[in-house]
Amino acid sequence: AQSVTQPDIHITVSEGASLELRCNYSYGATPYLFWYVQSPGQGLQLLLKYFSGDTLVQGIKGFEAEFKRSQSSFNLRKPSVHWSDAAEYFCAARMDSSYKLIFGSGTRLLVRP
Amino acid sequence: EAGVAQSPRYKIIEKRQSVAFWCNPISGHATLYWYQQILGQGPKLLIQFQNNGVVDDSQLPKDRFSAERLKGVDSTLKIQPAKLEDSAVYLCASSRALNEKLFFGSGTQLSVL
Repeated sequence: AQSVTQPDIHITVSEGASLELRCNYSYGATPYLFWYVQSPGQGLQLLLKYFSGDTLVQGIKGFEAEFKRSQSSFNLRKPSVHWSDAAEYFCAARMDSSYKLIFGSGTRLLVRP
Repeated sequence: EAGVAQSPRYKIIEKRQSVAFWCNPISGHATLYWYQQILGQGPKLLIQFQNNGVVDDSQLPKDRFSAERLKGVDSTLKIQPAKLEDSAVYLCASSRALNEKLFFGSGTQLSVL
């Protein structure tokens, strides 16, 4: 079955430190991949997406993600975290043949001052 | 540009009662989605409309949930009767077309007591 896995429920980093959030997918072929951020009381906001081509994609707010086909992964990174980045992050995927977006269970990011 | 509007923001009901949520998508967006987000989980697609037709409702519990988008613009999602496990945030999203970027509303938080 198609699925998206985010193995880390919570991650805590210090402000200014680097960040990597993990995401793995299980699909028969390479899906379209997305990262969303959800701040408390707000809707989901798209950070970045990967459809094809360059495996390192740049997004908003200084985030980037790298697609690795061999590992079925699409990890989100940021070189220096700001306190305002504290939020919940969701990885999502959909196949070209289906418009259904499947989300992972999310990773809550806490930022230490 | 106005975003996706949802109401109410919060709703508390007792089990076996009925409840309805309303969503007004971004003007001109043909595709509308309802997602259920249970605490600690990623959003799960309940139903997807293209204009006023249903594209996917495979995960909608049709014995108690119903949704409509009669004029192809705004939409209502109803639960009747509600169960304790329906406690969740109900997110509405819209996109210009089936394979385009989703814009999410802030959601309706439902508590079933």
